[in-house]
Amino acid sequence: EAGVAQSPRYKIIEKRQSVAFWCNPISGHATLYWYQQILGQGPKLLIQFQNNGVVDDSQLPKDRFSAERLKGVDSTLKIQPAKLEDSAVYLCASSFRAGYTFGSGTRLTVV
Amino acid sequence: AQSVTQLGSHVSVSEGALVLLRCNYSSSVPPYLFWYVQYPNQGLQLLLKYTTGATLVKGINGFEAEFKKSETSFHLTKPSAHMSDAAEYFCAGAGSYQLTFGKGTQLSVIP
Repeated sequence: EAGVAQSPRYKIIEKRQSVAFWCNPISGHATLYWYQQILGQGPKLLIQFQNNGVVDDSQLPKDRFSAERLKGVDSTLKIQPAKLEDSAVYLCASSFRAGYTFGSGTRLTVV
Repeated sequence: AQSVTQLGSHVSVSEGALVLLRCNYSSSVPPYLFWYVQYPNQGLQLLLKYTTGATLVKGINGFEAEFKKSETSFHLTKPSAHMSDAAEYFCAGAGSYQLTFGKGTQLSVIP
């Protein structure tokens, strides 16, 4: 089966600019997650979707981050405006029962 | 709340030696438990997972882990380290369908 697709693979932006990441989960996986992985740390959950509804966004910095999952399939994560501390790898994952599959991630560098 | 603790941010072993990476979870209800491996500039790859049933779980690349409820542990082992095992390893627990990750253990293999 096809894996979780993410794009772009890399992105470099200046602080205060905006950026968007895209994720296409595995077909049939109702649950979709966005994680932030800062260098040297474990991934931290930003937001969890069940179909097109938000289950948990308690750790999403809502003043600058937003995410949507229209039609319950693919999803976008946006940062506006970006800060230096947003430099990280943004991982998308989807799950079905106890199976979690991760995409390759988008490496964001904010300069 | 679910939490996962990995003991040792960096472990070094000689090639051919036993690999032991430690993970403890904190949960009133034993969660689903996972070990992931991450190579530089790559996404997370599932090594193995425990959901229910047999407490000794075998994974890919010769790794295995044993779920010990009495010790709230899920340590990862491999009898003989290979150079290709050098990577970052993450333990994760799933409660409420969310994966919570430990901070990771960097495994170095010395020739």
